[in-house]
Amino acid sequence: NAGVTQTPKFRILKIGQSMTLQCTQDMNHNYMYWYRQDPGMGLKLIYYSVGAGITDKGEVPNGYNVSRSTTEDFPLRLELAAPSQTSVYFCASSRTDYTEAFFGQGTRLTVV
Amino acid sequence: RKEVEQDPGPFNVPEGATVAFNCTYSNSASQSFFWYRQDCRKEPKLLMSVYSSGNEDGRFTAQLNRASQYISLLIRDSKLSDSATYLCVVNTSPTGNQFYFGTGTSLTVIP
Repeated sequence: NAGVTQTPKFRILKIGQSMTLQCTQDMNHNYMYWYRQDPGMGLKLIYYSVGAGITDKGEVPNGYNVSRSTTEDFPLRLELAAPSQTSVYFCASSRTDYTEAFFGQGTRLTVV
Repeated sequence: RKEVEQDPGPFNVPEGATVAFNCTYSNSASQSFFWYRQDCRKEPKLLMSVYSSGNEDGRFTAQLNRASQYISLLIRDSKLSDSATYLCVVNTSPTGNQFYFGTGTSLTVIP
């Protein structure tokens, strides 16, 4: 059982470039989330989705976009990369909005 | 005020020691509570859920005090493999639809 899978694991971007972080889960969870984690800080919610076709902003959405065309996939798009987006990004999913979340292995992104 | 606050530590304890972590949360409507463990440069993994009556899983005991909006984690007989960062997580659903994470408490168990 793969759980939550994120790709890529590492990426270096130049300022102004764009990229998509991929996330897929095989647990048939309705709820999916994108977080970023900066050194010494807690995880901050970027976007979340409560089901296919439904997305909503979290605490730090600026500079990011998401889509949820299927239950399994929840990609995160960075359109114009900035150094402030250097971080570790985690995708997560949960069965309901009050049960535990399962995390992918993370994507370490550096913007230079 | 932060949604979830934890003492960042670090806690450095000898093998076999008992150590306790505390966490407070600000939203009285919070519905569910968890402790996660995060190893260096890895993803958070669920350690245990926290129930109102308190719950135990082997050497780990979690307590919830809703009146004081306080969560605790007790680790008995610490092992070297317990060294990690422990994250307190609170879910405010149905008002929030999201998990709020503490910044984590760092634990190092020393031989």
